[in-house]
Amino acid sequence: TQLLEQSPQFLSIQEGENLTVYCNSSSVFSSLQWYRQEPGEGPVLLVTVVTGGEVKKLKRLTFQFGDARKDSSLHITAAQPGDTGLYLCAGEGGTSYGKLTFGQGTILTVHP
Amino acid sequence: EAEVAQSPRYKITEKSQAVAFWCDPISGHATLYWYRQILGQGPELLVQFQDESVVDDSQLPKDRFSAERLKGVDSTLKIQPAELGDSAMYLCASSPYPLTEAFFGQGTRLTVV
Repeated sequence: TQLLEQSPQFLSIQEGENLTVYCNSSSVFSSLQWYRQEPGEGPVLLVTVVTGGEVKKLKRLTFQFGDARKDSSLHITAAQPGDTGLYLCAGEGGTSYGKLTFGQGTILTVHP
Repeated sequence: EAEVAQSPRYKITEKSQAVAFWCDPISGHATLYWYRQILGQGPELLVQFQDESVVDDSQLPKDRFSAERLKGVDSTLKIQPAELGDSAMYLCASSPYPLTEAFFGQGTRLTVV
C-alpha cells in the first residue's frame, strides 16, 4: 500500500500570513491531486500535477510536484479566513494504478 | 453543473441494524468510488467500480459491507449489521476514466448509536 504523509496535521494562523503544507511519500506517483474540504461537504479538487518539478498557480495558491514525483507542496500566500478547511493530497499511479490514495489531511484555520 | 448525488445526507442507526446509502454519479462517468472518512482524516477507499464491475474492494469489510452497481450507473453501499466503529462520513465519487479528476458528492454522515 502506498502511503502519503501530510504535514503539519494542524495549522492555525492569522489572516495575511503565508503557509506551506507538505505531502510526502516513499513511492512514485503518476499524478498527484490536491483537494480542499469544508466541514460536512465532500472534497473539491484544486489542482492536478503530473510532471516532476511542475509548478501550478491558482490565485494565491502555488502547488509544486517534486522532481522525483514522490512529494508535493501547497503554498498559500496571504491566507484569508475563507481558506479555512481540510487540505488533502491524493496520489495515483505506481502500484496503485487507477486508485486514488489520500493523505490524512491538514486542518487549516485562518483567524481574522 | 453536474453533481454527484448522495442520499441520505445524515443517518442515525442503532448498532446491529442494517443501513444503506445511495449514490448517483455524474452522467457518463464510468468509474465510481465509495470512500469512508473519519472526522478530520483523509478518505479511505472502500470499493471502486468500473461500469458495473468491482475493480478494487480490498479494503471493504466484506463480512458486513456490500456494494453494488447493477446497471453501471447508480450504486448502493450497505452495512449489515452496523457497529459503533462504522460511524463516519461515507463519500461517493465518480470520474470519467480511472483515474482522472474525481468528483465527490456531499457524503452521508452515519452515526451508529
